[in-house]
Amino acid sequence: GAVVSQHPSWVICKSGTSVKIECRSLDFQATTMFWYRQFPKQSLMLMATSNEGSKATYEQGVEKDKFLINHASLTLSTLTVTSAHPEDSSFYICSARDFGRAANEQFFGPGTRLTVL
Amino acid sequence: DAKTTQPNSMESNEEEPVHLPCNHSTISGTDYIHWYRQLPSQGPEYVIHGLTSNVNNRMASLAIAEDRKSSTLILHRATLRDAAVYYCILASNTGKLIFGQGTTLQVKP
Repeated sequence: GAVVSQHPSWVICKSGTSVKIECRSLDFQATTMFWYRQFPKQSLMLMATSNEGSKATYEQGVEKDKFLINHASLTLSTLTVTSAHPEDSSFYICSARDFGRAANEQFFGPGTRLTVL
Repeated sequence: DAKTTQPNSMESNEEEPVHLPCNHSTISGTDYIHWYRQLPSQGPEYVIHGLTSNVNNRMASLAIAEDRKSSTLILHRATLRDAAVYYCILASNTGKLIFGQGTTLQVKP
């Protein structure tokens, strides 16, 4: 199947700093990428839909000024957690939709574990 | 977004078939039924998807009820590596996947 990578795989930062997470589709072009957050023992929660060349669409309750999403190319989307606080500690996962494949099939990255001290 | 209902957990013995049920009574005509699974500390992995007809691939089979209000993921011979959380998701043409709580599958040796 198609491959999606994330970098870094884990990050520890101090409260108040900003953290950037990259999501790349390695062998296909993804006009749409999605960002999810997952707390321990919980399911994935969709945060936003990232469209190449346009502004991201955020789900209700997700602060767009805190979670900055950029999708500048067909293979790269970035999520920046600005002024991170301990409550932002979570597992962040991206997915990419390959329009060249079967309808709505998505491929997920391995996730990024963010710990804010 | 249409919702799905799955049992919280299921158990299976190794090398036996597993049938994971999913109810989606509010499914719309254009919604695809997707199944993903997730191992601890990993991103979800695509398993299978379908629209109306039953589907088979190397990982599993998907049986879809005639009225499309329910479906069943079938693992033909469970292995220890199949222990995971299995998510049944309805996907609209927007591409958004809304995850429910899923079914935690335990496989006993």
